Amino acid sequence: GQNIDQPTEMTATEGAIVQINCTYQTSGFNGLFWYQQHAGEAPTFLSYNVLDGLEEKGRFSSFLSRSKGYSYLLLKELQMKDSASYLCAVTNTGFQKLVFGTGTRLLVSP
Amino acid sequence: DGGITQSPKYLFRKEGQNVTLSCEQNLNHDAMYWYRQDPGQGLRLIYYSQIVNDFQKGDIAEGYSVSREKKESFPLTVTSAQKNPTAFYLCASTKTGAQPLHFGNGTRLTVT
Repeated sequence: GQNIDQPTEMTATEGAIVQINCTYQTSGFNGLFWYQQHAGEAPTFLSYNVLDGLEEKGRFSSFLSRSKGYSYLLLKELQMKDSASYLCAVTNTGFQKLVFGTGTRLLVSP
Repeated sequence: DGGITQSPKYLFRKEGQNVTLSCEQNLNHDAMYWYRQDPGQGLRLIYYSQIVNDFQKGDIAEGYSVSREKKESFPLTVTSAQKNPTAFYLCASTKTGAQPLHFGNGTRLTVT
């Protein structure tokens, strides 16, 4: 089976940096995705990590450690529009399916 | 423009009735997925299909059924056997599992 853990909620201030952690236990891990979801909308893709290390994409970066079953999403220069849920998801051997964590709701205040 | 379309956006049904949610994609994607999302929760996998005429149960398949007769279409039927059907349903597709999922805009089903 698969078990994915994320904090339920985080708060941060506009302009700050926030790190959202995700730990996973899974058989046959292949890769990890991060998605952003605004309330009532569909998730949108942010990043995909297969190898250990940091992937940077503008204000967002994602890190993966396969040996530790750990990933984080780093958001810099926070903006009000970054208030959303952030979903961590892992894909299994053969890339057959994507299993999501419960998501972290991020609230950015002025 | 290619995309994935779910209809309708809002759906209301009486308890005991079956209801079918539509999902169509013109992205030429092989794999399609159905997820359910409850308030404040993550996405839970209901069914997925890697190829036409084949599909597999996800983590919460009980009370649901699907078909994959065409590559473009993956309808989900919520049967009367589903105990708590009221939820936000998301359909997604991808070329391969190593590629990001493309999501439809979702169908919010309310059963009373």
